[in-house]
Amino acid sequence: GQQLNQSPQSMFIQEGEDVSMNCTSSSIFNTWLWYKQEPGEGPVLLIALYKAGELTSNGRLTAQFGITRKDSFLNISASIPSDVGIYFCAGQPGGGNKLTFGTGTQLKVEL
Amino acid sequence: DVKVTQSSRYLVKRTGEKVFLECVQDMDHENMFWYRQDPGLGLRLIYFSYDVKMKEKGDIPEGYSVSREKKERFSLILESASTNQTSMYLCASSPTGFRGYTFGSGTRLTVV
Repeated sequence: GQQLNQSPQSMFIQEGEDVSMNCTSSSIFNTWLWYKQEPGEGPVLLIALYKAGELTSNGRLTAQFGITRKDSFLNISASIPSDVGIYFCAGQPGGGNKLTFGTGTQLKVEL
Repeated sequence: DVKVTQSSRYLVKRTGEKVFLECVQDMDHENMFWYRQDPGLGLRLIYFSYDVKMKEKGDIPEGYSVSREKKERFSLILESASTNQTSMYLCASSPTGFRGYTFGSGTRLTVV
């Protein structure tokens, strides 16, 4: 099955820094989603994007649905220690309810 | 608060055992999914179900089967557990009219 290319694989940043991560696909998606997984828990939905070019914010998080429909970006501003976790992108190709997930970006925040 | 509940957080099983992982959702969702999560590989779809008694293979169904006798419950079965099935297993559900998945907390299975 298809996997999305997510980068970077991991990041180790200072508290207060901004963070960017992205996801690319060789095929088009109709929906892009961003999830966060904390240690020992299942992923939790952060942001959902439904239209090409859409820019959506959730607090310090901002995500964009790429115009080509083959990519998406997630930015976290002014990172804090509780931002630690694994961030997954996921795409829905259109029709049905199956998601394809990225390989994840592990974020570690240094105080 | 809506929930997807996985029956066990941690399981240790022996090679060759038949293993049942249970998942229950209280949101009346039509769709349910089983994923496994391994470092560096992300989430890979094992099986999914769009309705009671319906099931479809995902990307890595070998060595697994599923059962969905009731709408709220979706079980993953390892017919004969092997060490390469040691992994984190995640159950998820979603309604028709897609708006993303709700995940359970996961079951970390170790096969020895």
